[in-house]
Amino acid sequence: GAVVSQHPSRVICKSGTSVKIECRSLDFQATTMFWYRQFPKQSLMLMATSNEGSKATYEQGVEKDKFLINHASLTLSTLTVTSAHPEDSSFYICSARAPGHPNTEAFFGQGTRLTVV
Amino acid sequence: AQTVTQSQPEMSVQEAETVTLSCTYDTSESDYYLFWYKQPPSRQMILVIRQEAYKQQNATENRFSVNFQKAAKSFSLKISDSQLGDAAMYFCAYRTINSGNTPLVFGKGTRLSVIA
Repeated sequence: GAVVSQHPSRVICKSGTSVKIECRSLDFQATTMFWYRQFPKQSLMLMATSNEGSKATYEQGVEKDKFLINHASLTLSTLTVTSAHPEDSSFYICSARAPGHPNTEAFFGQGTRLTVV
Repeated sequence: AQTVTQSQPEMSVQEAETVTLSCTYDTSESDYYLFWYKQPPSRQMILVIRQEAYKQQNATENRFSVNFQKAAKSFSLKISDSQLGDAAMYFCAYRTINSGNTPLVFGKGTRLSVIA
């Protein structure tokens, strides 16, 4: 199956700093990627849909200035958590769908555990 | 908007036994995809099984099978011969068939424990 790589897997940062998370499709071109946030023992909450070459579409309640998404190429989308605070600590997951993939499933990155201290 | 409901927050099963996880969904669409994803402690999301709504035959993948009842909007997952490695969170998910830009809609998940 298609491979999506997310980096870093874990990051600890100080409050007030910014953190960038990368999501790469390794063996296919992804015009659309999705960013999710997952709190402990909860489901995945869609944050935004990232479209290559255009602005991301954010879900209601997600601050676009706080969570900057850039999808500058067909294989890379980045999520930058700006001026991070402890309440931003969470597990962030990206996914992508391979165009023309017969099963139309989503392929997920390994996730990034962000801890803001 | 579509919604997915998993009414069992936690389930447990004895090793080698069979367990069924329930999932219902709400949609006005006639064609769509349904999925079950597994999330083990590593938190990597793993596709378990998928079903196209236009197919009447229930999907099967080795020990995993579904009972898809389109009229009832029900999509349960049966795990046979449960193994310790099956212990994980299981998420039911829905996706519209119309566009590749639409995300998955997830249920809240069911945590499955397997007892040795």
